[in-house]
Amino acid sequence: VQLVQSGAEVKKPGESLQISCEGSAYSFISYWIAWVRQTPGKGLEWMGIIYPGDSHTTYSPSFQGQVTISADKSISTAYLQWSSLKASDTGMYYCVRRGLGDAFDVWGQGTDVTVSS
Amino acid sequence: DIVMTQSPLSLPVTPGEPASISCRSSQSLLYSNGNNYLDWYLQKPGQSPQLLIYLGSNRASGVPDRFSGSGSGTDFTLTISRVEAEDVGVFYCRQALQTPYTFGQGTKLDIK
Repeated sequence: VQLVQSGAEVKKPGESLQISCEGSAYSFISYWIAWVRQTPGKGLEWMGIIYPGDSHTTYSPSFQGQVTISADKSISTAYLQWSSLKASDTGMYYCVRRGLGDAFDVWGQGTDVTVSS
Repeated sequence: DIVMTQSPLSLPVTPGEPASISCRSSQSLLYSNGNNYLDWYLQKPGQSPQLLIYLGSNRASGVPDRFSGSGSGTDFTLTISRVEAEDVGVFYCRQALQTPYTFGQGTKLDIK
């Protein structure tokens, strides 16, 4: 069972970006996938969660309207998207599977996003 | 939002000695089904966090039995019975009771 994320990104403010997370060796449509941001200043922050089976999505109020979470169950892949990046979006982004007891039992390797002019 | 507070933030430990980390939540994590929705994670240097304990006291698959979780309601403890060198990293608690899910600020364990 694993989640494999897309590679590191370096972007300029105002640019758009989509990062991906591909699940394997389990039923992708049966488990919620969350996105978590890690920064030195704020630590680990939960951004939102999607159920790939029906694409039902819930966002943290802190990230609502700032990002879009989506999934393509046909290719077992979840996405995190920005339409206009800010420097404050710089950080490491993890996709995680919500499993037994609603715990985050499988983590992707992380995608490092740097936004700088 | 539920606020998670860990202590201590730094924990130097001698190998073979026990260690414990406290996590307190701003509201009870005990659900009506009797489960406490509290997890513990360890982030080793250069790695993604990994699940250690779920529902307050259940060890995740493959986690050594020197790790144990206890507590209920708003007060929880992660205990390492005998610290090993490979346990170095940052430990986090997280509440899974309600969204937005929230994490503690982290406890950095290092070897004396």
